[in-house]
Amino acid sequence: TAGITQAPTSQILAAGRSMTLRCTQDMRHNAMYWYRQDLGLGLRLIHYSNTAGTTGKGEVPDGYSVSRANTDDFPLTLASAVPSQTSVYFCASSEGLEGEQYFGPGTRLTVT
Amino acid sequence: GQNIDQPTEMTATEGAIVQINCTYQTSGFNGLFWYQQHAGEAPTFLSYNVLDGLEEKGRFSSFLSRSKGYSYLLLKELQMKDSASYLCAVMDSNYQLIWGAGTKLIIKP
Repeated sequence: TAGITQAPTSQILAAGRSMTLRCTQDMRHNAMYWYRQDLGLGLRLIHYSNTAGTTGKGEVPDGYSVSRANTDDFPLTLASAVPSQTSVYFCASSEGLEGEQYFGPGTRLTVT
Repeated sequence: GQNIDQPTEMTATEGAIVQINCTYQTSGFNGLFWYQQHAGEAPTFLSYNVLDGLEEKGRFSSFLSRSKGYSYLLLKELQMKDSASYLCAVMDSNYQLIWGAGTKLIIKP
């Protein structure tokens, strides 16, 4: 079982360009999440989805958008990247709202 | 505001015991989680506490006191592979996880 996959592994992006980070899970989990992790800070929630067809804003949603067309996929889009979006991005999923979250391997994004 | 506090870094000796503390102030409480994160890797789940008391899982134990807003993770018989960051996270009233910055644990031979 693959669990959660993310693509790409890493990316260097010019400021002002757009990019979509991909996330796919094969555990049929209802809930999915996008976090960013920056040095010295805890994981911060960007967006989440409690079930297919619904999404919600987390702590730091500005500059990011998500969609949840089906159970398995939860892409994160940066419409116009800025250097402050340089970070490691983790996708996660959980069976329900209260359960443990399983994390993908992460995408390291550098915006120049 | 919501806040999770844990020490930035700790050092311990192989074979010893170490306790990593976590204090929290959150809007509501629906459980406390501990995750392990090796450098360059994803966090992986270690333990979950929702009621007061101690939960034991092999070499790892986690304790919770809801009245004190306090938890600790206890690691026994430390091994070199335990060198990692340990993340404390609290699930708030909206079922969202609020994360601490993590404690980097360095194990010395």
